Amino acid sequence: DIQMTQSPSSLSASVGDRVTITCRAGQNIGNNLNWYQQKPGKVPNLLIYDSDTLQKGVPSRFSGSGSGIDFTLTISSLEADDSASYYCQQSFDLPLTFGGGTKVAIK
Amino acid sequence: QVQLQESGPGLVKPSDTLSLTCAVSGVSINNNNWWAWIRQPPGKGLEWIGYIYYGGATYYSPSLKSRVTMSLDTSKNKFSLKMNSVTAVDTAVYYCVKTGSLLSRYFDFWGQGILVSVSS
Repeated sequence: DIQMTQSPSSLSASVGDRVTITCRAGQNIGNNLNWYQQKPGKVPNLLIYDSDTLQKGVPSRFSGSGSGIDFTLTISSLEADDSASYYCQQSFDLPLTFGGGTKVAIK
Repeated sequence: QVQLQESGPGLVKPSDTLSLTCAVSGVSINNNNWWAWIRQPPGKGLEWIGYIYYGGATYYSPSLKSRVTMSLDTSKNKFSLKMNSVTAVDTAVYYCVKTGSLLSRYFDFWGQGILVSVSS
């Protein structure tokens, strides 16, 4: 199984801050990395696929980058509505695996 | 508009079989997508259970493979999950999910999720 390691596991930031979440794969996964946002009590929502492609309807303050082993999700200017957990997922090989999640709180 | 909706019992006894169905609307399950099940124990992360394709191919997580069966009903545009010999660790919210395509295995549409508790 390809292990996906996210860091940090949680963070607290202020509205307007630039926030970066990292995801490291246990092996080279090319650009087969996807990001999801999950608000409390809600369904996960696809933000970014194939490392850097913004899903339709997702605000442009979200962006993704990386290839191979190291990947990044960036929120360019944090908004109160971004308070959520964020998960990365590799789609390179079976079994499909997720990172442990990063919980983003607003100061 | 693509929609998925899980249904099934919210309470299952230990050692019994968990059975869930996902009704799909807005897209045919005969499309070139994988139809997946993902679960999330309370307060924990996401776990891929497996997926199925209308052509008949199924792939399961190795950790669950011995207990899981997935199937499709193309006439009703539904797909199903069965998991036998459940224990308390199988308590989770179960989501049915669609992938972007056969090659693009990201999850773009999710059901609302159904909480299944395993308890006597």
